[in-house]
Amino acid sequence: SQQGEEDPQALSIQEGENATMNCSYKTSINNLQWYRQNSGRGLVHLILIRSNEREKHSGRLRVTLDTSKKSSSLLITASRAADTASYFCATDGTSGSRLTFGEGTQLTVNP
Amino acid sequence: DAGITQSPRYKITETGRQVTLMCHQTWSHSYMFWYRQDLGHGLRLIYYSAAADITDKGEVSDGYVVSRSKTENFPLTLESATRSQTSVYFCASIGGQVEAFFGQGTRLTVV
Repeated sequence: SQQGEEDPQALSIQEGENATMNCSYKTSINNLQWYRQNSGRGLVHLILIRSNEREKHSGRLRVTLDTSKKSSSLLITASRAADTASYFCATDGTSGSRLTFGEGTQLTVNP
Repeated sequence: DAGITQSPRYKITETGRQVTLMCHQTWSHSYMFWYRQDLGHGLRLIYYSAAADITDKGEVSDGYVVSRSKTENFPLTLESATRSQTSVYFCASIGGQVEAFFGQGTRLTVV
């Protein structure tokens, strides 16, 4: 079964609005990462947060991690039409680099 | 060119045939992975490798075989293709950092 589960499955917003996606996972982790996938393409790494971190920023991205709840959120501020893509969280567990992915959130940003 | 490349990009094969998908990376990354992504879903791990000659099963390894005789190559073989193996296959690698780099994917159709 998938280690991570994203919520919501699909999100549609207007350009300029903020988009928030959530990820829940089942087992202890070393790191949690977020990836983006444009239609028909491979995944691209966005941001990594380590298990001892609570919040991290990168440009318009803000990631939070709550290890007590086994959950993470990805916030994209001031969204653009070009942010339209699927977003996946990935966890590596505590035993090594075996990355497992969630089902993803399909984000649509309407111009 | 530097990076991770998959070949072929598209493949149509018949049920029962053996098919090999190729993956090549130029960074000498230790870890390599094969995932499958079914329409509208996340990535499921098929096999991964921590180094040359070291491979391990993922969550959906039945019907697949891998080898890693050289660090840079990680071919995936479908021993006897079935329609349920119709999917998009992604290869990925991880080096010293935790970030994974993905190939562009191979779209496989089994008829």
